[in-house]
Amino acid sequence: EAGVAQSPRYKIIEKRQSVAFWCNPISGHATLYWYQQILGQGPKLLIQFQNNGVVDDSQLPKDRFSAERLKGVDSTLKIQPAKLEDSAVYLCASSLLAGTGVVDEQYFGPGTRLTVT
Amino acid sequence: QQQVKQSPQSLIVQKGGISIINCAYENTAFDYFPWYQQFPGKGPALLIAIRPDVSEKKEGRFTISFNKSAKQFSLHIMDSQPGDSATYFCAAARETSGSRLTFGEGTQLTVNP
Repeated sequence: EAGVAQSPRYKIIEKRQSVAFWCNPISGHATLYWYQQILGQGPKLLIQFQNNGVVDDSQLPKDRFSAERLKGVDSTLKIQPAKLEDSAVYLCASSLLAGTGVVDEQYFGPGTRLTVT
Repeated sequence: QQQVKQSPQSLIVQKGGISIINCAYENTAFDYFPWYQQFPGKGPALLIAIRPDVSEKKEGRFTISFNKSAKQFSLHIMDSQPGDSATYFCAAARETSGSRLTFGEGTQLTVNP
């Protein structure tokens, strides 16, 4: 079974520039997550999709971050404009089940390491 | 209310020793407590998880101990091996919120040969 794919693996941009990350979840997984992992910290959930609908985006800085999940499969996360404090690893994860009342195992991709200079 | 505090920040043990990592949570609504293992350049991977209806869960060399009254849980790695060297994260979630995980800060474990 192929894992969660992410690209690019590394990205260096200057502050105020824009950047986009792509995620392809495990085939058939209904739920997709984007996490931000700052160096030395645990992952923090940014947004959760079930199929192509947003379930939770309460911790997404909506003035600069946006995300979409195309046709309930692939997803992109965009930052526009980037700030120095956005330097982090952006992790995508997916899980099989949809709906509340269930905690399902999340499978993480390798992440995209973003450096903002 | 949503925080999960993890200690120690780093841990060094000898091969064959026991590694112990502790976590404490505040939100009594949490009812799912997983541990994730992360190697450099990789995403976290689920190691073992527990729900509060039991006080201990063991899978191979990995054991979770859970103390509901103290709002604490810990990971014990028996017979630690150099291949266990990684960063370990505890997390917590509410079943009713689906799979939203709140992670601890992480513990970098080094097992010396």
